[in-house]
Amino acid sequence: GAVVSQHPSRVICKSGTSVKIECRSLDFQATTMFWYRQFPKQSLMLMATSNEGSKATYEQGVEKDKFLINHASLTLSTLTVTSAHPEDSSFYICSAGTGRGEKLFFGSGTQLSVL
Amino acid sequence: QQQVKQSPQSLIVQKGGISIINCAYENTAFDYFPWYQQFPGKGPALLIAIRPDVSEKKEGRFTISFNKSAKQFSLHIMDSQPGDSATYFCAAKYETSGSRLTFGEGTQLTVNP
Repeated sequence: GAVVSQHPSRVICKSGTSVKIECRSLDFQATTMFWYRQFPKQSLMLMATSNEGSKATYEQGVEKDKFLINHASLTLSTLTVTSAHPEDSSFYICSAGTGRGEKLFFGSGTQLSVL
Repeated sequence: QQQVKQSPQSLIVQKGGISIINCAYENTAFDYFPWYQQFPGKGPALLIAIRPDVSEKKEGRFTISFNKSAKQFSLHIMDSQPGDSATYFCAAKYETSGSRLTFGEGTQLTVNP
């Protein structure tokens, strides 16, 4: 199956700093990428949808100035958590689709801990 | 966001037994129903998926049963193994949403040796 690489897998930062998470599709062009947030023992919560070359579409209640998404190429999307606070600590997961089929491929996730 | 309801929340099965996880959906426009397996600290991985034009799909020990009239679908894991212990999510999507998925709440499966 297609591979989606997500880095870093774990990051610890101080409150007030910004953290960037990368999501790359390694062997296919991802016209659409999705960013999810997952709390322990809970389901995935869609944060935003990004299409290459255009602005991301954020879900209701997700602060777009807090979670900056850039999808500058067909193989790379980044999520930047700006001025992170302890309540932003969570597991962040990206996924990518080709836009043609139904299959959606997920990255391995990033555990963010804000001290 | 359209809901997909999943049950049970947790499930404990003995090695060799059958694990059954159920999902129900509301939106009849959904046309693709995948199941994902997630291990702790990892992203979900596609396990098996079905479209509503068939009632059953089997891949190895994993089977999806689909009941269109009842708007329900289920995952059956035959001969469950300790290595199957993970969290399982059902999901659904419809064509106009592209690849966007609506996830169930998840089922934490534990297979005892």
